[in-house]
Amino acid sequence: EVHLVESGGALVKPGGSLRLSCAASGFVFTEAWMSWVRQPPGKGLEWVGRIKRESHGGTTDYAAAVKGRFTISRDDSANTLYLQLDNLKPEDTAVYYCTSLVALRFPASWGQGTLVTVSS
Amino acid sequence: QSVLTQTPSASGTPGQRVILSCSGGRSNIGRNTVNWYQQLPGTAPKLLIHTTDQRPSGVPDRFSGSKSGTSGSLVISGLQSEDEADYYCAAWDDSLNGVIFGGGTKLTVL
Repeated sequence: EVHLVESGGALVKPGGSLRLSCAASGFVFTEAWMSWVRQPPGKGLEWVGRIKRESHGGTTDYAAAVKGRFTISRDDSANTLYLQLDNLKPEDTAVYYCTSLVALRFPASWGQGTLVTVSS
Repeated sequence: QSVLTQTPSASGTPGQRVILSCSGGRSNIGRNTVNWYQQLPGTAPKLLIHTTDQRPSGVPDRFSGSKSGTSGSLVISGLQSEDEADYYCAAWDDSLNGVIFGGGTKLTVL
């Protein structure tokens, strides 16, 4: 069974940085494409970006709203996915979910989420 | 404002057939598959339908999906009280080169 556990969410000031982690188990992480999705409090879902498996180049794609500020990376030796958040803005306040992908694009299994709050 | 448009709310009575819709455009639903997610109160979303009409293992067969042109539909046959949740559609957008979600439909079981 796929198991994803996010951590690292916190209260951070505008302009600050944060790194989220996602510990993966129950599947072959090295073969998985992974993504991050966020959900502002009381609002809908927003795709953040995805990372391909290393054998497919390990490249990343991002939503326009976060491109240049957020970075997705992975450590296959530790079965861990990361999301580096830089130059944070109040509108980045959300629960951030780590997901595996189906059909290389769409979130399949989800973690429980971790809350990032950007406020002065 | 979401690129995919969903009716904000819907309702039905137990046993009823409910259809939730998702309207997009040529660069997303028109060229790609539709996916549906169910989010129960206070929990993470769950994949309900992928590749327009495929149910992951464990999803009851009273949930079904389809697509016509630039619109997708989620049909819930035999509505149950535990189906009360938020439902989101999603599709890949070729112009944006990413996944887009609808704004969600809050389904109430009366």
